[in-house]
Amino acid sequence: EIVLTQSPGTLSLSPGERATLSCRASQSVSSNYLAWYQQKPGQAPRLVIYGASSRATGIPDRFSGSGSGTDFTLTISRLEPEDFAVYYCQQYGTSLYTFGQGTKLEIK
Amino acid sequence: QVQLVQSGAEVKKPGESVKVSCKASGNSFTSYYVHWVRQAPGQGLEWVGIINPTGGTTSYAQKFQGRVTMTRDTSARTVYMELYSLRSDDTAVYYCARDLGGSQLDPFAVWGQGTLVIVSS
Repeated sequence: EIVLTQSPGTLSLSPGERATLSCRASQSVSSNYLAWYQQKPGQAPRLVIYGASSRATGIPDRFSGSGSGTDFTLTISRLEPEDFAVYYCQQYGTSLYTFGQGTKLEIK
Repeated sequence: QVQLVQSGAEVKKPGESVKVSCKASGNSFTSYYVHWVRQAPGQGLEWVGIINPTGGTTSYAQKFQGRVTMTRDTSARTVYMELYSLRSDDTAVYYCARDLGGSQLDPFAVWGQGTLVIVSS
């Protein structure tokens, strides 16, 4: 099973700032089958990035993903108030789908 | 726009079973895999298993094997997840989610609204 470790656990930033979230895998994620999800309180997760760097439908271009192998990053270039949420990375390259523990992005 | 609509909240006693449904709107019900993911209160996301609505084949996380069954009714465009021998730590919101493009190697693109299952004596 691939273990995903996200950092930091909590990130406190202000609107307009840049956010950088990290996801590290215990072994290489095949073909960059790595996704990022956004979850707001009381809501289901929402797909943001897949294939490590492709934006999902309707996701604004201030969201970008990068990385390969075992190290992946989600960047939000200029934070909007609606971006504050919990973000999870997920690998889907094996039949044992796993999620990271999440990074909470909170308003400073 | 495909939507997944789940059944309502459940309260169960330890040792009982719960069956949660997930109904897909629109066509192409059999074209996508459906996953089940759960989230305990204040915790992260945990993958439970996957069902192929076409043939009904399933795969479960090892943690749940022997205690979960996923089925589907293609005429009703509905998949089901039944969890047996419930314990208090099964208390969670259970989500169904459809893959992005019809492959097991796809992320989870469409999610149901979630079903809260509470296990309490």
